[in-house]
Amino acid sequence: DTAVSQTPKYLVTQMGNDKSIKCEQNLGHDTMYWYKQDSKKFLKIMFSYNNKELIINETVPNRFSPKSPDKAHLNLHINSLELGDSAVYFCASSARTAFPYEQYFGPGTRLTVT
Amino acid sequence: DAKTTQPTSMDCAEGRAANLPCNHSTISGNEYVYWYRQIHSQGPQYIIHGLKNNETNEMASLIITEDRKSSTLILPHATLRDTAVYYCIVERTSGSRLTFGEGTQLTVNP
Repeated sequence: DTAVSQTPKYLVTQMGNDKSIKCEQNLGHDTMYWYKQDSKKFLKIMFSYNNKELIINETVPNRFSPKSPDKAHLNLHINSLELGDSAVYFCASSARTAFPYEQYFGPGTRLTVT
Repeated sequence: DAKTTQPTSMDCAEGRAANLPCNHSTISGNEYVYWYRQIHSQGPQYIIHGLKNNETNEMASLIITEDRKSSTLILPHATLRDTAVYYCIVERTSGSRLTFGEGTQLTVNP
């Protein structure tokens, strides 16, 4: 009964390809996030959705497009992959009805672009 | 959001208390202090948060100085499984926009 799950766990692809990472949470939370952790281990927020509405959009290339079909899912689609996109991507969720918002993170997806 | 400063690394003996300091001298009145940790190859895990009072839960205690310019996370009886990078985060939008710094690598030794 995983709280926040991501698929795939590992993703190896070539430059120029388009790929998607899926995230699902079964906690009943209404807010979901995508974070990127680079090779230097810095963890940085990319996007946040609340009830399927985008509420945080950090300076991220347009090649990255989050999609939230419902409150329990937030997928990340990446177009025209570049070498610099190689990183670990974490999905997280929280409940905005529970102040302050404790975030629950998924296990991460390690993306390697060759 | 206020910047935080943490030691790069710390060691602790198993069974002893681990005290992890964090400086946040520019913290403002409406900013909370959050602690998360990341065990190797896993997603970050929430530990505790506080505003100005000391807090305790089943995982740890958080001591915030009266002027709120620094805090200490205390793991009362560290175990090998507590080896992780610990992040101190100061944030004003109720924890929805977390900015992770470099954190402190805590190594618990047998």
